[in-house]
Amino acid sequence: NAGVMQNPRHLVRRRGQEARLRCSPMKGHSHVYWYRQLPEEGLKFMVYLQKENIIDESGMPKERFSAEFPKEGPSILRIQQVVRGDSAAYFCASSYAGTSGPSSYEQYFGPGTRLTVT
Amino acid sequence: QKEVEQNSGPLSVPEGAIASLNCTYSDRGSQSFFWYRQYSGKSPELIMFIYSNGDKEDGRFTAQLNKASQYVSLLIRDSQPSDSATYLCAVNTYSGAGSYQLTFGKGTKLSVIP
Repeated sequence: NAGVMQNPRHLVRRRGQEARLRCSPMKGHSHVYWYRQLPEEGLKFMVYLQKENIIDESGMPKERFSAEFPKEGPSILRIQQVVRGDSAAYFCASSYAGTSGPSSYEQYFGPGTRLTVT
Repeated sequence: QKEVEQNSGPLSVPEGAIASLNCTYSDRGSQSFFWYRQYSGKSPELIMFIYSNGDKEDGRFTAQLNKASQYVSLLIRDSQPSDSATYLCAVNTYSGAGSYQLTFGKGTKLSVIP
């Protein structure tokens, strides 16, 4: 499967626990993006990463959320001390090259992780 | 705040008709425009992208871009029930943090009636 992979597909956490979402980009892609989609809402950009670098985290909440894309292994979105408002679908996308200017390459999405906070 | 606006619908068309989906955007500097299809409970699937003014055709899909009017549209010819989904317009906009990122509209829900 050469597509974007995400796991787990479904994650249930109690309030106060930590959630870790993983994303492996499409083969040949080195740019990863995380998005959040709340029920009945649009997709919202959270963070853009390349290997070992956070390029743009302007969409990330300032507290409790962090992301990384290590030299080896998948990108991880980490949510500490989850609250009910964090319940959403979290999508990862990847692209061949990045968005350093107004022209960008196409982004391809993974299947998403549905996070439910009880 | 950079915005991408779409009519939320639902847009209902009979099978075999042309479905026309519209999108406007506020960032005049945007250069890249994308249409994604999202079935209920699934992830967005890229179906078209366009960078230059004019039309771009791919099978039953045609994307149209008018940068002067800040308007992009998607036409689906010979609509099929399997085209019933939410269509998301995405525009590359300046994030304010030194890079450009995709801003998505809330989507138009299309229903193709057999």
